[in-house]
Amino acid sequence: DAGITQSPRHKVTETGTPVTLRCHQTENHRYMYWYRQDPGHGLRLIHYSYGVKDTDKGEVSDGYSVSRSKTEDFLLTLESATSSQTSVYFCAIGQGASTEAFFGQGTRLTVV
Amino acid sequence: QKEVEQNSGPLSVPEGAIASLNCTYSDRGSQSFFWYRQYSGKSPELIMFIYSNGDKEDGRFTAQLNKASQYVSLLIRDSQPSDSATYLCALPGAGSYQLTFGKGTKLSVIP
Repeated sequence: DAGITQSPRHKVTETGTPVTLRCHQTENHRYMYWYRQDPGHGLRLIHYSYGVKDTDKGEVSDGYSVSRSKTEDFLLTLESATSSQTSVYFCAIGQGASTEAFFGQGTRLTVV
Repeated sequence: QKEVEQNSGPLSVPEGAIASLNCTYSDRGSQSFFWYRQYSGKSPELIMFIYSNGDKEDGRFTAQLNKASQYVSLLIRDSQPSDSATYLCALPGAGSYQLTFGKGTKLSVIP
């Protein structure tokens, strides 16, 4: 998986609780991404980072925040989890514009 | 917002046949295209990319790009049951810092 580790791999949480997902890379790629994948919607970008402390919103950013304090780590936080955030979350890394992205193993999050 | 369209399938082909997967895109200025394969319950993995008009071949896989008609195809020759997966087309998104994905075509290769 191109040196990308996501944690946890599975999580069940209650509505209203905060949740943080972690993505760790050993490839020294500048760009890191968080996608969610849902049936009928495909992969949708939540947030991405183009450097340490440089982040931007994606297509479905509401209810999510991110932080990147080191090149290798990109955190995704659900501030107050809702059932609509039940999904599979993928972290990806890349070299930048117009280049391919490599995906982590995914985190299956269930909000009950 | 750049759009990427794929037929969701499922596309069923017999073992040994050629599977043809198509992807259309809205941005005429798109320059690079990527094909990912995703097995059920797994993460997407890159299998092909193409940057210019024409064809690119890699083993049993051929990517074909037609900029005039704004579509990109993936051909899988001698299809195997192990090729059964969902195939995702992707291209650089609005800011070119990330990829925009189609919803994928599910391929089933029947032994």
